[in-house]
Amino acid sequence: GAVVSQHPSRVICKSGTSVKIECRSLDFQATTMFWYRQFPKKSLMLMATSNEGSKATYEQGVEKDKFLINHASLTLSTLTVTSAHPEDSSFYICSATGIGTAVGNTNTEAFFGQGTRLTVV
Amino acid sequence: RKEVEQDPGPFNVPEGATVAFNCTYSNSASQSFFWYRQDCRKEPKLLMSVYSSGNEDGRFTAQLNRASQYISLLIRDSKLSDSATYLCVVPSGGYQKVTFGTGTKLQVIP
Repeated sequence: GAVVSQHPSRVICKSGTSVKIECRSLDFQATTMFWYRQFPKKSLMLMATSNEGSKATYEQGVEKDKFLINHASLTLSTLTVTSAHPEDSSFYICSATGIGTAVGNTNTEAFFGQGTRLTVV
Repeated sequence: RKEVEQDPGPFNVPEGATVAFNCTYSNSASQSFFWYRQDCRKEPKLLMSVYSSGNEDGRFTAQLNRASQYISLLIRDSKLSDSATYLCVVPSGGYQKVTFGTGTKLQVIP
């Protein structure tokens, strides 16, 4: 299957600083990327959907000024957690769909990055 | 009704047992469904896709019941390595919106 690389896999930062997480599609063009957050023992929660070259669409309750998403190219999307606080500590995962990942009829499969465990101290 | 609902478990089953999970969904227009497997602190990985009535792959069988709006995952001859959380995923609008279930935790015990 297609490969999505997410970096870093683990980051510890001080409260008040910003952290950038990268998500790259290595062998396909990711027209759409999704960012999820998963708290311990909870389900994956969609934070935002980004289409290449346009502004991200944020889910209700997700602060767009705090979680900055940039999807400037077909192979790279970034999530920046600004002014991080301990309650932002979580597992963040990206997934991507796009050209070259189609399976089945017209539906597409999403490929996930490895995830980033963010700890804010 | 939640968009996607799963029994969180945990399901503790002995090796060799058959176990089944259900996932109910609320959007009757949904056309495709997926089961993902997620190991602790890892990303989800696609296990099976369900586009019509069902799909079978080795020990795993996924079935779709449109009338009752649920999909099921059956695992036969459970292995220790099957221990994981199984996520039901219901995309809509060509994956423009993806809803995950809370996941069902399976623990296969020796």
